[in-house]
Amino acid sequence: QVQLVQSGAEVKKPGASVKVSCKTSGYTFTGYYVHWVRQAPGQGLEWMGWINPNGGVTNYARKFQGRVTMTSDTFISTAYMELNRLTSDDTAVYYCARGTPNYGSTAGSFDIWGQGTMVTVS
Amino acid sequence: QSALTQPASVSGSPGQPITISCTGTSSDVGGYNYVSWYQQHPGKAPKLMIYDVNNRPSGVSDRFSGSKSGNTASLTISGLQAEDEADYYCSSYTSSSTYVFGFGTKVTVL
Repeated sequence: QVQLVQSGAEVKKPGASVKVSCKTSGYTFTGYYVHWVRQAPGQGLEWMGWINPNGGVTNYARKFQGRVTMTSDTFISTAYMELNRLTSDDTAVYYCARGTPNYGSTAGSFDIWGQGTMVTVS
Repeated sequence: QSALTQPASVSGSPGQPITISCTGTSSDVGGYNYVSWYQQHPGKAPKLMIYDVNNRPSGVSDRFSGSKSGNTASLTISGLQAEDEADYYCSSYTSSSTYVFGFGTKVTVL
């Protein structure tokens, strides 16, 4: 079945960077967008951006532009999200989620989610 | 992009219907039929319940339905059950080719 399995929890110092991985299986990795969404403790969901693994095109939320980099490795069907210049406000659970097929528009929904990766900045 | 407006909480008795609203603008909810709804139980990842305004993924109970009128989308749970107690988030595609979520609604089964 379709699965997205993320890397483990991280603890980082302010100013550092974190890179979270999202290993996919059960579908053609290069055929779907991958999105990243975060959730601060006790707060709602916040969309960060997407990557098209077929070619590596990205689109980031304005809030994260200049600080986030989304990449993918098609050989191991894995997407990555790196966030730089961390502050305590970046403490959150980070999720990857499968989006729509990339033969069309990015518009749609997120049908399969990873289990989440807790990033603590302290 | 401002978050979509949802009521903070909605409650109902078992068997009763409830409706959660999700209000945006003509640049998101009102402009596209790409509103989706997610259920999240504590400590768990979100689960897609409704996509493209009113479509249910395979395996989601038909007690869940979605609709949209103007800049407001709605999720209705008919016949509320104990396992429906969770947080619910709406999401919409936007004119900037990005996405925005709602603030979230806590559903309580009385």
